[in-house]
Amino acid sequence: GQQVMQIPQYQHVQEGEDFTTYCNSSTTLSNIQWYKQRPGGHPVFLIQLVKSGEVKKQKRLTFQFGEAKKNSSLHITATQTTDVGTYFCANSNTGNQFYFGTGTSLTVIP
Amino acid sequence: DSGVTQTPKHLITATGQRVTLRCSPRSGDLSVYWYQQSLDQGLQFLIQYYNGEERAKGNILERFSAQQFPDLHSELNLSSLELGDSALYFCASSVRGAWDEQYFGPGTRLTVT
Repeated sequence: GQQVMQIPQYQHVQEGEDFTTYCNSSTTLSNIQWYKQRPGGHPVFLIQLVKSGEVKKQKRLTFQFGEAKKNSSLHITATQTTDVGTYFCANSNTGNQFYFGTGTSLTVIP
Repeated sequence: DSGVTQTPKHLITATGQRVTLRCSPRSGDLSVYWYQQSLDQGLQFLIQYYNGEERAKGNILERFSAQQFPDLHSELNLSSLELGDSALYFCASSVRGAWDEQYFGPGTRLTVT
């Protein structure tokens, strides 16, 4: 299957520090989506990247899609306690199957 | 609130039993997806329906089945339940297909004892 690996699995940061999670695939991805799941909640769509080298920003969040479309990253600048949760990358293949990465659990220490 | 509803919120049942989970998609969404989330397996795609037809199949066991009805709500049937089936089951919906952003429901927590 077209599965993606995410690193790190866990990240603890002091409030105000930056945070980055990475998604890596051994095969070329047609697209990548990012979701956030708060503790006890459900995944919430953040963004979709489709083009090689694409960079999108949402306030303090910056999303990148690699030039080779085999990796992606989510960077949060100056984390806040509201950023706590698990961040997943996900992608679909030509067979319409949907794969979620293993997720990065972010803890923000106030 | 994503607009996707799932019932029941919690379900406790015994091994060997059969349960049905229900999902109503957002108004206007034609696709419904089912996912299983457990601590050791992460978020696993089970199956997708589009406008009543099965569109894609993921890691769905033969003991599990699903369907989407003409009013677009969907049901996930889990039979011959095992302890390992205990998990959070999410339904999600999207306007069209797998390239769309998905809106997740609150989930059904299934506990098999």
